[in-house]
Amino acid sequence: DAKTTQPNSMESNEEEPVHLPCNHSTISGTDYIHWYRQLPSQGPEYVIHGLTSNVNNRMASLAIAEDRKSSTLILHRATLRDAAVYYCTSNQFYFGTGTSLTVIP
Amino acid sequence: NAGVTQTPKFQVLKTGQSMTLQCAQDMNHNSMYWYRQDPGMGLRLIYYSASEGTTDKGEVPNGYNVSRLNKREFSLRLESAAPSQTSVYFCASSGGHHGNEKLFFGSGTQLSVL
Repeated sequence: DAKTTQPNSMESNEEEPVHLPCNHSTISGTDYIHWYRQLPSQGPEYVIHGLTSNVNNRMASLAIAEDRKSSTLILHRATLRDAAVYYCTSNQFYFGTGTSLTVIP
Repeated sequence: NAGVTQTPKFQVLKTGQSMTLQCAQDMNHNSMYWYRQDPGMGLRLIYYSASEGTTDKGEVPNGYNVSRLNKREFSLRLESAAPSQTSVYFCASSGGHHGNEKLFFGSGTQLSVL
């Protein structure tokens, strides 16, 4: 079974970069790594995904370790609207328990 | 843009009652999913359907049944609700093969079983 682990919570100052880690201990070679975020009382929304190479989009960047056992979601400049719970998953079957991000003004 | 629509948004059941959670997507997606979300547990997959006419068990299928009625609709049924099924339920869909494409989630159904 794919297991995905994340820290329970993290804090960041507004306008500072944030690095959210995730461990994918049993990821297989064909599993894509996805990240989602969830605001209170809403469904999760897609942030970014990748297979082997680092990925960038307008919301964030995704850094994937060479062995793919870990990934890092990078928010380049945290804003108050980025305060949410962030989930990673390596095959969309098994999600991590989520990291609650607090952004400090 | 409706996306993924779930009904109802809230439901209270008594132990032993049955109910069906409805989900529909208007994006012509092949794959559809049901997850439950409990405090401290993240999202756990109950059932998924990779294409119309197929369904498969996820991590926590016990106590649930599903029906992929057509390409748009995927329902989740609780035949005899138990307090352990109190949770927030999310339906999701994706366009491609399982695991490769991003998921689009509905806004959830908050279910309480007394």
